[in-house]
Amino acid sequence: NAGVTQTPKFQVLKTGQSMTLQCAQDMNHEYMSWYRQDPGMGLRLIHYSVGAGITDQGEVPNGYNVSRSTTEDFPLRLLSAAPSQTSVYFCASKDRAHSGNTIYFGEGSWLTVV
Amino acid sequence: LAKTTQPISMDSYEGQEVNITCSHNNIATNDYITWYQQFPSQGPRFIIQGYKTKVTNEVASLFIPADRKSSTLSLPRVSLSDTAVYYCLVGSASKIIFGSGTRLSIRP
Repeated sequence: NAGVTQTPKFQVLKTGQSMTLQCAQDMNHEYMSWYRQDPGMGLRLIHYSVGAGITDQGEVPNGYNVSRSTTEDFPLRLLSAAPSQTSVYFCASKDRAHSGNTIYFGEGSWLTVV
Repeated sequence: LAKTTQPISMDSYEGQEVNITCSHNNIATNDYITWYQQFPSQGPRFIIQGYKTKVTNEVASLFIPADRKSSTLSLPRVSLSDTAVYYCLVGSASKIIFGSGTRLSIRP
């Protein structure tokens, strides 16, 4: 059971470049989300999705786009990378959007923007 | 999600029992209380969940008083490997905001 899978694990970008962080879950979860975590800090919600075709903004959405064309996948796109986006990115999912059920996290994607 | 308040950091020693308290004054009737643990360079992982009174599993215990306005995560006989950040979440909203959590440091 793979759970939540993120790729790539490590990436270095130049300022202004764009890229997509991939996230896939094989648990048929309705809810998916993306967080970023800067060194020594807590998790900050970027975007989330309560089901295929539905996305919404979190706490820090600027500079990022998401889409949810399938239940399984929730890619995060950096439109024009900036050094301030250097961070660890975590994708998460849970079975139903409005439930207190367990949230499952991926292993993280380390992004450095130079 | 209900707003939660936790201590920013705690220190303890190996073999001690550690109790981390979370305040959640605005908890709703149907809200569950869930605790997550995050090790460095890893995503958070579920530890324990409860609704009232006491819940125990192989990792921790969760104590919830009758008014449910707070909860206490209890880690028995901690070891160095329990050094992590612990997050308390209350409720079931779709916009899940994690607080800063409690940074627990265990010393030999």
